[in-house]
Amino acid sequence: EADIYQTPRYLVIGTGKKITLECSQTMGHDKMYWYQQDPGMELHLIHYSYGVNSTEKGDLSSESTVSRIRTEHFPLTLESARPSHTSQYLCASSKHSNQPQHFGDGTRLSIL
Amino acid sequence: SQKIEQNSEALNIQEGKTATLTCNYTNYSPAYLQWYRQDPGRGPVFLLLIRENEKEKRKERLKVTFDTTLKQSLFHITASQPADSATYLCALWIGTYKYIFGTGTRLKV
Repeated sequence: EADIYQTPRYLVIGTGKKITLECSQTMGHDKMYWYQQDPGMELHLIHYSYGVNSTEKGDLSSESTVSRIRTEHFPLTLESARPSHTSQYLCASSKHSNQPQHFGDGTRLSIL
Repeated sequence: SQKIEQNSEALNIQEGKTATLTCNYTNYSPAYLQWYRQDPGRGPVFLLLIRENEKEKRKERLKVTFDTTLKQSLFHITASQPADSATYLCALWIGTYKYIFGTGTRLKV
């Protein structure tokens, strides 16, 4: 019953390339999030959006940027990928900030 | 700052038994605490949310308790089945817009 979709699921790409990870949700949620998760580690919030045209950086410093032009769409962009960006990126949404989050299945990114 | 401690060692349990997973936190009691299930290569799936003023919450075979004195939440799965094998994450509300997540405990039934 996936209501939040991430593409691509896997991406292997060379250093220096520009990358955009897509995230879309069909639930009409205002709040959307991007997390980074390494194997066996906790999720770290890297970006948050309150709603259209409203984004904030999370606790974990990230060289990525996000945009929120439409409620349902929250893409993440890396202008110049580096091996240190290799990780799993998870997108989530919620109706209210303190309520359960719905997660996509993530993009596993490998930078060579 | 608030920290979450979940047992990083895997929990092996016999089918049919009750699995109990622990989530400890270090500072103030959060207003909300959630439990998620995560399967390999997938995103977390929400299971239960418990509020600060609630002692216990149940959903089918799942039960969560919240002890603000001990700074601890316990997550129970009764009558464990092999399909329950996964990593279970605890998440604490730390205000404004954020939950912080634990590293999770891997359960193998």
